[in-house]
Amino acid sequence: NAGVTQTPKFQVLKTGQSMTLQCAQDMNHNSMYWYRQDPGMGLRLIYYSASEGTTDKGEVPNGYNVSRLNKREFSLRLESAAPSQTSVYFCASSGLNSNQPQHFGDGTRLSIL
Amino acid sequence: AQSVAQPEDQVNVAEGNPLTVKCTYSVSGNPYLFWYVQYPNRGLQFLLKYITGDNLVKGSYGFEAEFNKSQTSFHLKKPSALVSDSALYFCAVREISSGSARQLTFGSGTQLTVLP
Repeated sequence: NAGVTQTPKFQVLKTGQSMTLQCAQDMNHNSMYWYRQDPGMGLRLIYYSASEGTTDKGEVPNGYNVSRLNKREFSLRLESAAPSQTSVYFCASSGLNSNQPQHFGDGTRLSIL
Repeated sequence: AQSVAQPEDQVNVAEGNPLTVKCTYSVSGNPYLFWYVQYPNRGLQFLLKYITGDNLVKGSYGFEAEFNKSQTSFHLKKPSALVSDSALYFCAVREISSGSARQLTFGSGTQLTVLP
């Protein structure tokens, strides 16, 4: 039972490079999310997708773009990476009701040099 | 706007003793409240939630939390701590109203260390 799968697990980029973080869930969830986790700051929402075909900005969307490819997959793209984007990125998914918990992947650890 | 505060960055407790991890929240209306746990190099795992009804909520691994509306708190508790409970704990809140559904706000986290 895979749950939420994120690839890659680790990545090192140079400033200005681009990359896409991949996320897939096998729980038939409607909603998917991208967070970043920085020390002492908890998790901050970057973008979310309430359902297939829709995406919305979260708390810290600048420098990122997302694509809800289908119900299972939700990708996060850094077009021109900056050192401030060094972080651990988590993808999550949840069911239709807003009282349902989110299920998280194990994260992508991204370093921008 | 919604917010959540975890006033303690670090909590240390001896194995076998009761533990409490504190959380207070701020919302305009009524909240959904959640506790998650994170082990090293892993994603967050759901522990328990408060939706409505009984103020004492029981969750996974023997954890429970008490919702206190007057004090706007949702403290996590366990009667007898285990060394394996050592982890990073996050409280999260979601206000029950249209327009803010599905977005969780997380606290900054509390590192729990259970000493053998």
